[in-house]
Amino acid sequence: AQSVSQHNHHVILSEAASLELGCNYSYGGTVNLFWYVQYPGQHLQLLLKYFSGDPLVKGIKGFEAEFIKSKFSFNLRKPSVQWSDTAEYFCAVNRLTSGTYKYIFGTGTRLKVLA
Amino acid sequence: EAGVVQSPRYKIIEKKQPVAFWCNPISGHNTLYWYRQNLGQGPELLIRYENEEAVDDSQLPKDRFSAERLKGVDSTLKIQPAELGDSAVYLCASSLENRLGTGELFFGEGSRLTVL
Repeated sequence: AQSVSQHNHHVILSEAASLELGCNYSYGGTVNLFWYVQYPGQHLQLLLKYFSGDPLVKGIKGFEAEFIKSKFSFNLRKPSVQWSDTAEYFCAVNRLTSGTYKYIFGTGTRLKVLA
Repeated sequence: EAGVVQSPRYKIIEKKQPVAFWCNPISGHNTLYWYRQNLGQGPELLIRYENEEAVDDSQLPKDRFSAERLKGVDSTLKIQPAELGDSAVYLCASSLENRLGTGELFFGEGSRLTVL
């Protein structure tokens, strides 16, 4: 089945630790890739996106993600997390299927950063 | 600029009762989505509109769920009758979509439904 997988469901880090959240998708062909974030009590919002070009994309708040086509992955990274990064992170894929786009989300990774 | 507005924020009903959710997307956005998010899960697409047309409703349980988007702007999602398993957060999102599928989704705060 076509899917977006986020293997880490819960991650706990101390401030200044490095972060990497995994995202794998099972679609072939052209895909548009996104990471969304939901801070406590807030709505989902875009963190970064990749369509084409440089596979290393930078987003807001020091986040970056790398698209590795051969691994069907789009992992999210941040060199040094802050307490304010505590949130839930969702990977998403938008892909043309049977003439229409399907915007599919992963199950999410809940990140807790300890001060 | 106003974001995506949803109402109500919270709704508690007994099973077999009807419920409706309303969404006002960002002005000018041609595409509107309804997602359902269960606890500990990612958003699951229920229906996607391009202007007034429902272009993808393959995941909408049509025996009890219905949706409409009047004049290509506001949208309502209805459940009748509600079941216990419908308890979830119902998210509305809008985007200015293009043929390349690169549009960013803008989400509302969500409507949290509890069915007793």
